[in-house]
Amino acid sequence: DAGVIQSPRHEVTEMGQEVTLRCKPISGHNSLFWYRQTMMRGLELLIYFNNNVPIDDSGMPEDRFSAKMPNASFSTLKIQPSEPRDSAVYFCASSYRFTEAFFGQGTRLTVV
Amino acid sequence: TQLLEQSPQFLSIQEGENLTVYCNSSSVFSSLQWYRQEPGEGPVLLVTVVTGGEVKKLKRLTFQFGDARKDSSLHITAAQPGDTGLYLCAGLTGANNLFFGTGTRLTVIP
Repeated sequence: DAGVIQSPRHEVTEMGQEVTLRCKPISGHNSLFWYRQTMMRGLELLIYFNNNVPIDDSGMPEDRFSAKMPNASFSTLKIQPSEPRDSAVYFCASSYRFTEAFFGQGTRLTVV
Repeated sequence: TQLLEQSPQFLSIQEGENLTVYCNSSSVFSSLQWYRQEPGEGPVLLVTVVTGGEVKKLKRLTFQFGDARKDSSLHITAAQPGDTGLYLCAGLTGANNLFFGTGTRLTVIP
């Protein structure tokens, strides 16, 4: 298996634009997590899905953020409209029965 | 949000020295995981501890879970430059949320 695949690796966008981050979890994993990492706040849990269903989205910063998981092999995190304070590295991770979390390489988002 | 505080936040030591990193919380976790993250990569699991008081060893790394399952420590013996990285603890709650600690950035100087 290729591991968790995230795209794009880097994204630079202007304030106010819509940004969509994509994640392909490891086949057979039933849980998927989205995290945001900054120097100031560390690794923050944004939302997690279990069997494609959002279980806890209390970490989503505000209504500008939304996440979907239409099937077991794909998830998106969307920011609309984006703001400079959204600049961070966004990680997707998947796991099987909440054992080890396997992380993707992350998407470095810069909003100018 | 379940807060996991790690200390120290930054640590710079000479090769061959020993060190301990702490992970503390007021919450009880069903399990506690330790990860290491290299620049430009996602965190990678080192170990999972489940039982209160449990001790696990991984070569020169020793991990302990507190008796009350609220805290954990990571001890590295004879640190090597290859141990350099960001060390993160992560607690799994009863609701199956996986929350990460604030991180300890370790630098081992040759």
